[in-house]
Amino acid sequence: DTGVSQDPRHKITKRGQNVTFRCDPISEHNRLYWYRQTLGQGPEFLTYFQNEAQLEKSRLLSDRFSAERPKGSFSTLEIQRTEQGDSAMYLCASRLPLPGGSPADTQYFGPGTRLTVL
Amino acid sequence: QKEVEQNSGPLSVPEGAIASLNCTYSDRVSQSFFWYRQYSGKSPELIMSIYSNGDKEDGRFTAQLNKASQYVSLLIRDSQPSDSATYLCAGGQGAGSYQLTFGKGTKLSVIP
Repeated sequence: DTGVSQDPRHKITKRGQNVTFRCDPISEHNRLYWYRQTLGQGPEFLTYFQNEAQLEKSRLLSDRFSAERPKGSFSTLEIQRTEQGDSAMYLCASRLPLPGGSPADTQYFGPGTRLTVL
Repeated sequence: QKEVEQNSGPLSVPEGAIASLNCTYSDRVSQSFFWYRQYSGKSPELIMSIYSNGDKEDGRFTAQLNKASQYVSLLIRDSQPSDSATYLCAGGQGAGSYQLTFGKGTKLSVIP
């Protein structure tokens, strides 16, 4: 257990429905990431928050996806009008930068939310 | 060239042997590198990070980085059946976010 929690762990929905996932990072970590992983692939970056500011978004994040981190603590990822291609594991990771902002500091992953769109 | 490439395997080694996992990366991924282990249905778990040329050892694991060849490797000594998993190589990129770019992963099977 890394200390990053995600809810729900599994979600089954019908095509066209909206879904929302929650991530609670390690409490002192001010950087938060969302990734998506499909079967047989490595995780792919979706978006990044520094405190409450969403600073980067991948081209993978279509306009049906929205992410928030309203108070700089937990984050939500919403998918509107789900499609079968959205079926994947959605992973949240958090990071506390080392003094000086080293790229070597680590991202810790939560257990993920597995989404199945029927 | 994809940013981070791994041989997807599967790689099978007998128990007690050395498992060697390899990864190459492109110029866009040039900062720090991470090896994650992922059991089926679970999330990635960090094994090692490396950002300087050379070797870094931690218990049965040794990570090697060669920036001139753009090559990262992970050696697992005295492989155990519990090491059977998919191993993901990841590189950090981006001046601010240090987002991770992952390879597809190499599936390792350690045969008792």
